[in-house]
Order: sequence, then C-alpha cells, then structure tokens
Amino acid sequence: KAGVTQTPRYLIKTRGQQVTLSCSPISGHRSVSWYQQTPGQGLQFLFEYFSETQRNKGNFPGRFSGRQFSNSRSEMNVSTLELGDSALYLCASSLEFKGYSGNTIYFGEGSWLTVV
Amino acid sequence: AQSVTQPDIHITVSEGASLELRCNYSYGATPYLFWYVQSPGQGLQLLLKYFSGDTLVQGIKGFEAEFKRSQSSFNLRKPSVHWSDAAEYFCAVSYGGSQGNLIFGKGTKLSVKP
Repeated sequence: KAGVTQTPRYLIKTRGQQVTLSCSPISGHRSVSWYQQTPGQGLQFLFEYFSETQRNKGNFPGRFSGRQFSNSRSEMNVSTLELGDSALYLCASSLEFKGYSGNTIYFGEGSWLTVV
Repeated sequence: AQSVTQPDIHITVSEGASLELRCNYSYGATPYLFWYVQSPGQGLQLLLKYFSGDTLVQGIKGFEAEFKRSQSSFNLRKPSVHWSDAAEYFCAVSYGGSQGNLIFGKGTKLSVKP
C-alpha cells in the first residue's frame, strides 16, 4: 500500500514569504504529525493531528501552524519565513486504535525547504 | 525532561564487521522504543520497534536491538555490516497516549569501509 506522501519535495522561498506543505497519510491512518529536521537541532516535533484536531504541539513559534482535513490529509503552514526555517519537514502517520497508544509512526520522504 | 542520547556522532566500521549503536533514554516509565534509518536526502525508515514483551527485537535488514531496563538502553546491533548500511541512524522514544510524539536522539552517522 502507498506510504506517506509529501508535496512538494523541494522548494525555495524568500524571507518574509509564507509556505504550505502537504501530507497524505497512509490509507486508514488517522493521526498525522510533523517534524522539522535541521543539522543543528536534529529532529524536532512540531505538532500532531487526529480527527482534524490538534492533539499535541511542540515548542515552535506561532508562525508554524497546521491543520487536518476530514480525509486525514494534513497541511502545515509557516508564515513570515526566516532563514532559520530552512529544513527538511517530515510528515508521519500512524494508525490509532482506541485504548492502544503504542502506534508505529511511519514517515514520508519529506519536503526540503530553503529560505533565501 | 525526557531525552534520548546517542553518544556516538559518527562511527566507521569495515564491511563484514559487527556493529553496535548505542541509545539511552531518560524517564522513569518504560517508553515505546524505535530505531529509524535515514539515507541521504530521504525520509526515515523504521528498522524495528519495542513496545513490550521479549526484550530482544528483530528488525528489517538483519538488525536487532535489545531493551535493557536497568540501563535505560536500547542498543542496535548487526552481526555483519554491508556497504549499503551506510546511513544515519536515529533512536526514538514515545510515551504513547497524549504524548504520542517521538523524541529523537541526535543520530549516529555510520560509514562503512570496503
């Protein structure tokens, strides 16, 4: 079955612009989370959505936002881009069973964002 | 605060040699434990996971890991490394429930000598 799909794979933006990244989870998966990967900070959790509700949020400024649609697809948005936002943004999905919290999280190949 | 430590930033091994990558986590409760691998320019691929039960878990590509509660460790091993194993390896933990997000270590880059 298809994996986690992220679009676009590569993009270049200018400081001050905003960007929207898209993620389609594995079919049947209802939880989508986002991570930022940079050489300096490593992999950091941004936020997690389940059934269109943000369930968990990492320590990022309000410029970073996201949403999830009824079909579980998710988007994340970064407004007023800064040079430091240049990173690989990874989306992950997991299957959520009620009462079972040890879900395996599967990652997409990521969206490479360069801010110039 | 919860954290994951991978003490080795970069490891070089010869092809055919054995490999052990170290991972330690901090927290009182037993977390869910994962090892992921990332090839250059790619996303993360799950190698193996530990939720409960047998503390020695087998994964893909011939990897295994052992959970040691007393040492808060989850080290990754492979008896014979192949050149295609060169990549970056990340240990991660999750505490499930409302804390279902993964906390990652900084990663260990593996180089393989021919």
